[in-house]
Amino acid sequence: QVQLVQAGTEVKKPGASVKLSCKASGYTFTTYIIHWVRQAPGQSLEWMGWINPGNHNTKYSQKFQGRVTINRDTSANTAYMELSSLRSEDTAVYYCARDLISDAGSLDFWGQGTLVTVSS
Amino acid sequence: SSELTQPPSVSVSPGQTARITCSGDALAKQFAYWYQQKPGQAPLLLIHKDTERPSGIPERFSGSTSGTTVTLTISGVEAEDEADYFCQSAHSSGTYVFGTGTRVSVL
Repeated sequence: QVQLVQAGTEVKKPGASVKLSCKASGYTFTTYIIHWVRQAPGQSLEWMGWINPGNHNTKYSQKFQGRVTINRDTSANTAYMELSSLRSEDTAVYYCARDLISDAGSLDFWGQGTLVTVSS
Repeated sequence: SSELTQPPSVSVSPGQTARITCSGDALAKQFAYWYQQKPGQAPLLLIHKDTERPSGIPERFSGSTSGTTVTLTISGVEAEDEADYFCQSAHSSGTYVFGTGTRVSVL
């Protein structure tokens, strides 16, 4: 069965960076885009960017441009999202989700999310 | 505007119909998608390409579109439908955007 496995929690200090992982299984990794979406407490979903694991193409939200890097390791079926210069407003649950490359648009399966807390 | 706007909340009695709107310029040219999110859970895809229901989604969930507004309709609302609902679309540039979210309360 399809799985997107994410680590549980991260605690970081302001100014630090965090690198989150998303391990995929149950499907062919290179046939789906991986998106990263975050949700601050009590807030809506916020799209951050995506990566095409097959060709390494990426697209980022302008809001996070320069601060976010999305990467992948196809040998490990894992996508990564690194966010730098963390501030308290970055405290959120960070989700990865997949999107079929040949019919892109919908995020049809989501990981359980990683809670990132930024606090001094 | 690249925003997608939803009403903050909708209240409905069991068995009645709930309608949630999502408005934005992107919807005139791009498909809309709907997600349901219950507390402590990841979002679940309910509707894709404006009106299509993925396998396993109950028939009481349906989507429609008119111009720059899309609507999620829940017919015969059940207690388990109490959740947050989000619309989403994609720009031709390849960026994605989510709506502001709507909390559905079942009275």
